[in-house]
Amino acid sequence: QSALTQPPSVSGSPGQSVTISCTGTSSDVGTYNRVSWYQQPPGTAPRLMIYEVTNRPSGVPDRFSGSKSGNTASLTISGLQAEDEADYYCGSYTTSNTLIFGGGTKLTVL
Amino acid sequence: QVQLVQSGSELEMPGASVKVSCKASGYDFTYYGLNWVRQAPGQGLEWMGWINTKTGNPTYAQGFTGRFVFSLDTSVSTAYLQIPTLKADDTAVYYCARLRSGWFYDYWGQGTLVTVSS
Repeated sequence: QSALTQPPSVSGSPGQSVTISCTGTSSDVGTYNRVSWYQQPPGTAPRLMIYEVTNRPSGVPDRFSGSKSGNTASLTISGLQAEDEADYYCGSYTTSNTLIFGGGTKLTVL
Repeated sequence: QVQLVQSGSELEMPGASVKVSCKASGYDFTYYGLNWVRQAPGQGLEWMGWINTKTGNPTYAQGFTGRFVFSLDTSVSTAYLQIPTLKADDTAVYYCARLRSGWFYDYWGQGTLVTVSS
């Protein structure tokens, strides 16, 4: 099963908004609301930012939000800050009772 | 507080075996599944599979069956990943992560770097 499709990179200036897309199929993103997003600064373990498409764990700023339409999920970061610079990965449950990750997106804050 | 603490970095020769540990604390170990995720150098996250901490039943992702072994010692709240007969392309950081019912990971270990080199 191929990885979910994410853009390799996105960028934005401080204060701006960016959106990272995550495209799957009807076997994963399109069927389940079990999409999650993870932030990974260089050299660190991933951190959960969004779960079940739209939910934020405690401690995650409300500048981070998630959504889904059809086979594509999205992570939007508003009011960009320098500390948001990191790699971001989406993950989805699948009809095969497995989990699949996206290829990752490098966010650069200009 | 919930913590997953993994064993330290390993440097092994091709053909050797390695066993990575993931010790859980701060919650009932058998209540949540434990997943393993691989990240090769400069690459993305790759789901390896998971182990049911209540039954000990492992599930392996495609590409990880046959050569990777998940196991538990519930008496010490620890999960293990064993890789027998290491190859150079097993060089990666291996993470354990706690699985929630919505199939997301709310806590991660710090990662264990396994380097396979002669």
